Amino acid sequence: AQSVSQHNHHVILSEAASLELGCNYSYGGTVNLFWYVQYPGQHLQLLLKYFSGDPLVKGIKGFEAEFIKSKFSFNLRKPSVQWSDTAEYFCAVHKAAGNKLTFGGGTRVLVKP
Amino acid sequence: GAVVSQHPSRVICKSGTSVKIECRSLDFQATTMFWYRQFPKQSLMLMATSNEGSKATYEQGVEKDKFLINHASLTLSTLTVTSAHPEDSSFYICSARSQYIYGYTFGSGTRLTVV
Repeated sequence: AQSVSQHNHHVILSEAASLELGCNYSYGGTVNLFWYVQYPGQHLQLLLKYFSGDPLVKGIKGFEAEFIKSKFSFNLRKPSVQWSDTAEYFCAVHKAAGNKLTFGGGTRVLVKP
Repeated sequence: GAVVSQHPSRVICKSGTSVKIECRSLDFQATTMFWYRQFPKQSLMLMATSNEGSKATYEQGVEKDKFLINHASLTLSTLTVTSAHPEDSSFYICSARSQYIYGYTFGSGTRLTVV
């Protein structure tokens, strides 16, 4: 069965710092990859997704992620975070031909003003 | 964009009673709906997948008789927690997918507290 690992459970950083959240998955076939964000008290929102093509994906709010197939990774990055980026971030994967989305454990990010 | 409405957002019920949670796709037809459960400080765990007009497919370890899922139309799926117990207290989230819109749209979740 496929699994998704997010290495950092909690991240605390200051405004303007750079952010990188790790995500690794275990499935060896073709996958589609997602990053979702859950702001306090709100529902999950899609930040970005990768299906194919350029492995560097640009998302909303200045986020980007890089798919490295050889490392089974899809790390999320933002060069300069803001206080409003305080949220929980989830990486998710599903098989390209599949319908089941598997989530990582999530990373809580706290940005100090 | 695609919107999924989930109700209620919060519900408190007594142990032994049943609770129904609704998930509606407002501006698209959801051929597939998913129900997740999220425990505090944990990730979303898929409970079941339902296709319109078909029986839901439950994940291993999820009791189908306890968590009844109905997907009778292309815009509505319901999850009924039957004979609820305190250990069923959790955050339940639905997600919908259309054959025309790639990706998943999530509802805002329902916090169930069983007392």
